[in-house]
Amino acid sequence: EVVLTQSPATLSLSPGERAILSCRASQSVSSFLAWYQQKPGQAPRLLIYDVSKRAADIPARFSGSGSGTDFSLTISGLEPDDFAVYYCQQHSNWPEFTFGPGTRVEIK
Amino acid sequence: DVQLVQSGAEVKKPGESLRISCMGSGYSFSSYWIAWVRQMPGKGLEWMGIIYPGDPDPRYSPSFQDQVTISVDKSISTAYLQWSSLKASDTAMYYCARPHGVDPFDIWGQGTMVTVSS
Repeated sequence: EVVLTQSPATLSLSPGERAILSCRASQSVSSFLAWYQQKPGQAPRLLIYDVSKRAADIPARFSGSGSGTDFSLTISGLEPDDFAVYYCQQHSNWPEFTFGPGTRVEIK
Repeated sequence: DVQLVQSGAEVKKPGESLRISCMGSGYSFSSYWIAWVRQMPGKGLEWMGIIYPGDPDPRYSPSFQDQVTISVDKSISTAYLQWSSLKASDTAMYYCARPHGVDPFDIWGQGTMVTVSS
């Protein structure tokens, strides 16, 4: 079973700053890596899939990169609406999935 | 609109059984997998399992195998998550979600809160 770890657990930043979130897999997941955003009281929302493809209606300030076991989500220029929890997810062994533990992006 | 609509919040006692539902609309339900995801209070997302309406042989996360049952009734475009004997530790929000083809979950239900307390 693939295990995902995310760092940092919490990221404290100010609006306008760049956020870089990390996700590491216990073994290669090829390009089957996605990112989700979850706000309090809401269902998660898909942001990025296949490492770097933005989902529908996702702003260009969200970008993903990486390969194999090391991945990152970059939010260039945090907006007030971006403060939330972000989860990575892999599905290298379709149709089985694993989520990472999450990174909370909070207002500094 | 493509959507997944889940059944309402439940309050149960330990040992009771429960089935919650997730109805798809606005798309060809039989052509897409449906997954279930648990989120315990204040915690992260956990993939529980997944089912394909055209082949009702679910796949389970090892953590949830033998703990829950996932099923589907494609005639009414509805997937189910079932417990035979609830525990207090089953208290959580449960989401259904739809992968888009072989891509991750682009459509989510609104969630069903299950509270198990004596």
